[in-house]
Amino acid sequence: EPEVTQTPSHQVTQMGQEVILRCVPISNHLYFYWYRQILGQKVEFLVSFYNNEISEKSEIFDDQFSVERPDGSNFTLKIRSTKLEDSAMYFCASQSSFSNQPQHFGDGTRLSIL
Amino acid sequence: DAKTTQPPSMDCAEGRAANLPCNHSTISGNEYVYWYRQIHSQGPQYIIHGLKNNETNEMASLIITEDRKSSTLILPHATLRDTAVYYCIVRGEGRDDKIIFGKGTRLHILP
Repeated sequence: EPEVTQTPSHQVTQMGQEVILRCVPISNHLYFYWYRQILGQKVEFLVSFYNNEISEKSEIFDDQFSVERPDGSNFTLKIRSTKLEDSAMYFCASQSSFSNQPQHFGDGTRLSIL
Repeated sequence: DAKTTQPPSMDCAEGRAANLPCNHSTISGNEYVYWYRQIHSQGPQYIIHGLKNNETNEMASLIITEDRKSSTLILPHATLRDTAVYYCIVRGEGRDDKIIFGKGTRLHILP
């Protein structure tokens, strides 16, 4: 069964450094998402992306965050200058173009900011 | 905020049916009920969804009340691998509608 894959599984970065989290959505899916989950808290929506532009973003998704689909297969989340509070699990999800279809999630990248 | 209410935790004996309730009294006519689960340290896993009819797949059954204000997810023969946090989610029919997660129900399967 097709799945969403995320790399790396664990990223350790110094505060203030830039980090790029990578995702390969399910082939033929057209809608892409990033969510995050701080340890012990709820999964939170960050951003949705369709047709090479952001559809919606949350208050968390400030100017330090950006997303990109650099080629036909990858979907990336960049954090320009990381803060301690960016430490979390980051999940990528994708969805097909048909309505009323579920989002499928990857297993996440654990981001640890030191 | 999430539009659903779920009990924070439940126990179920291995091999028995696990019935997870969810209240969504403010659901709109075009909103679907989705269920996901999250096994420790993994991403949310899609289980099932429905609009108003009961649904069944290889993982579970979804029973939606006639007034659509509540639903029950049924895992027919729970195993230890079903131990997870289960999320009941109400979501619109839009293709790019985000998911708003609540705290879910932590299901413990007891050997």
